[in-house]
Amino acid sequence: DTEVTQTPKHLVMGMTNKKSLKCEQHMGHRAMYWYKQKAKKPPELMFVYSYEKLSINESVPSRFSPECPNSSLLNLHLHALQPEDSALYLCASSQDRGVDYEQFFGPGTRLTVL
Amino acid sequence: AQSVAQPEDQVNVAEGNPLTVKCTYSVSGNPYLFWYVQYPNRGLQFLLKYITGDNLVKGSYGFEAEFNKSQTSFHLKKPSALVSDSALYFCAVRGSTLGRLYFGRGTQLTVWP
Repeated sequence: DTEVTQTPKHLVMGMTNKKSLKCEQHMGHRAMYWYKQKAKKPPELMFVYSYEKLSINESVPSRFSPECPNSSLLNLHLHALQPEDSALYLCASSQDRGVDYEQFFGPGTRLTVL
Repeated sequence: AQSVAQPEDQVNVAEGNPLTVKCTYSVSGNPYLFWYVQYPNRGLQFLLKYITGDNLVKGSYGFEAEFNKSQTSFHLKKPSALVSDSALYFCAVRGSTLGRLYFGRGTQLTVWP
């Protein structure tokens, strides 16, 4: 299995809602990533988990809360988001954080905040 | 600091013609370079990488890239373009902080039939 899956594919939420994005991989990868991508722009790194521990937080607002329950799962909990948070949220994984390991991306969750 | 530049926002090419998508890099230390492709409403797909070794790297879907140290370039190439190659292409370089990828701004490739 060489796939990263993400659910849901689409999400519409109000600014007072609480929702979660889910990411799963079964490639035995030990590094997992969350990115935010605006249309026609490169992905922006949000968080990196390595061996289930948070290793990078790119000064992301606290309304985004990541969680890594086990080595295969990565969640992103959302609360009190703003309309400018509307974007494609991409999850990725790699064998490790080493420089020569490519990242495998999921299809993304298209988030719209009303 | 690590960075990559993609000088062209848009590349247009006729089907069957060769294509080149340009990327230049700036790194301290050894460069670890990657190309990704993104189709509409999809995630990024890995195409190829340069870590060390041969300057000509072969990847998925008939793509290849040429690493040129003197020109600090890593251009993506394909001998014969297909309409289905039309997509957004990102060059990326590994940062010194483990786990970090620095992406170029992206190049939209359009292949005309």
